[in-house]
Amino acid sequence: EAGVAQSPRYKIIEKRQSVAFWCNPISGHATLYWYQQILGQGPKLLIQFQNNGVVDDSQLPKDRFSAERLKGVDSTLKIQPAKLEDSAVYLCASSPLMGRREGYTFGSGTRLTVV
Amino acid sequence: ELKVEQNPLFLSMQEGKNYTIYCNYSTTSDRLYWYRQDPGKSLESLFVLLSNGAVKQEGRLMASLDTKARLSTLHITAAVHDLSATYFCAVGGLPAGSRLTFGEGTQLTVNP
Repeated sequence: EAGVAQSPRYKIIEKRQSVAFWCNPISGHATLYWYQQILGQGPKLLIQFQNNGVVDDSQLPKDRFSAERLKGVDSTLKIQPAKLEDSAVYLCASSPLMGRREGYTFGSGTRLTVV
Repeated sequence: ELKVEQNPLFLSMQEGKNYTIYCNYSTTSDRLYWYRQDPGKSLESLFVLLSNGAVKQEGRLMASLDTKARLSTLHITAAVHDLSATYFCAVGGLPAGSRLTFGEGTQLTVNP
């Protein structure tokens, strides 16, 4: 089966600019996650969707980050305006159904550098 | 709040040697995952541990889970250079389907 697709792979922006990332999960996977991985740290969940509804966004900095999952398939994550500390890899993951315990499949990630 | 601690954070070992990476977590969970990450790459799933006493093995890696002690171990047997990578444990919150909380990762370097 095809994996989790993410784009772009790399992005360099200046602080205060905006940026958007795109994710296409594995076909049929109902649950989609966005994680932020700062260099040298483990990934941290930003937001979790079940179909097109938000399940957990408690760690999403809502003053600058937003995410949507239209029609319960693709998802976009936006940062506006970006700060230097947003430099990180943004990983998208999906799983078949919330409550399933087989684990998540991660995409290749988008590496964001804010200068 | 669920906290996950790994140790060691950095591990340099010689080929052929054995070593264990430890993962402690702070609250009750029903699932624990081990992932591998190569530099500049995404996370590759290694093991999914779902019950107390679970043990899984793949090649030179073996993972176990003790839910009572809130401890998982990743044992490396006769290390080879290809195992050099960063290894993460991730613990699932309750109820099932809640977010995964990751440890800081163990950066493993296997020297010839």
